[in-house]
Amino acid sequence: GQNIDQPTEMTATEGAIVQINCTYQTSGFNGLFWYQQHAGEAPTFLSYNVLDGLEEKGRFSSFLSRSKGYSYLLLKELQMKDSASYLCAVPPNNNDMRFGAGTRLTVKP
Amino acid sequence: KAGVTQTPRYLIKTRGQQVTLSCSPISGHRSVSWYQQTPGQGLQFLFEYFSETQRNKGNFPGRFSGRQFSNSRSEMNVSTLELGDSALYLCASWTGSNTEAFFGQGTRLTVV
Repeated sequence: GQNIDQPTEMTATEGAIVQINCTYQTSGFNGLFWYQQHAGEAPTFLSYNVLDGLEEKGRFSSFLSRSKGYSYLLLKELQMKDSASYLCAVPPNNNDMRFGAGTRLTVKP
Repeated sequence: KAGVTQTPRYLIKTRGQQVTLSCSPISGHRSVSWYQQTPGQGLQFLFEYFSETQRNKGNFPGRFSGRQFSNSRSEMNVSTLELGDSALYLCASWTGSNTEAFFGQGTRLTVV
C-alpha cells in the first residue's frame, strides 16, 4: 500500500521562509517529486530527490530522508506568486506517480 | 515541442450520461497517467497506460475506464455519471523512467 501525508494548509508572510513537510509509506521507492499547482492550472515540476540530503534550486530546496520516509520543501524569500498548492509525489515503481493531497500555501503581504 | 493536450477543456453532463476525455501526450512519451482532482480529495490516481497496456489502476469503480492508442494518445471514459464525478481530470505523460511527469491543463467536468 501507499500513504502520503502533507499538511492541508499553511500561511506565511512575504519575504519569509516556509517549510512544507511530506511523510510517506510506500511499497516501493523511485524517488520523491515536488510539484507546484496554481489554482486552475496544471501541476508543474519543482524538484526530484532520490538520494538522502538537500537539493537546492534557487529559492526552492528539497530534502529527503529515505530511512525516515520524510521530505520537505523549503521556500525562501517568499513572494506573493508562491501562493499555490504544493504536491508531494512518491512513485512506488516506474509506472505511476502517486500524489499526496497537497498543501495549499497562502502568502500574505 | 508541444505539451500535453487535453480535450475538451470544459464539459457539462447530466447524471446517467457517459463521457469520453482525450489526452495527447508529449511526442515520444509512451506513458500516460490519469488523475481526478477534487477540492476535498486532492489528486487521485486513476490509471496508467504504456504502449497501449494498462499497467496500473487506482481505486475507482469500473465505471471509469481508459485506453491508449498506438500513437500514445489516451482516452478515459466514465459511464453512468454521478454528481460526485464532477472534478478536474488531469492527464500526465512521461518517459517512464525516473523523470518528471508533464501535465495537461485538464478537463473540468461538471455533472448536473
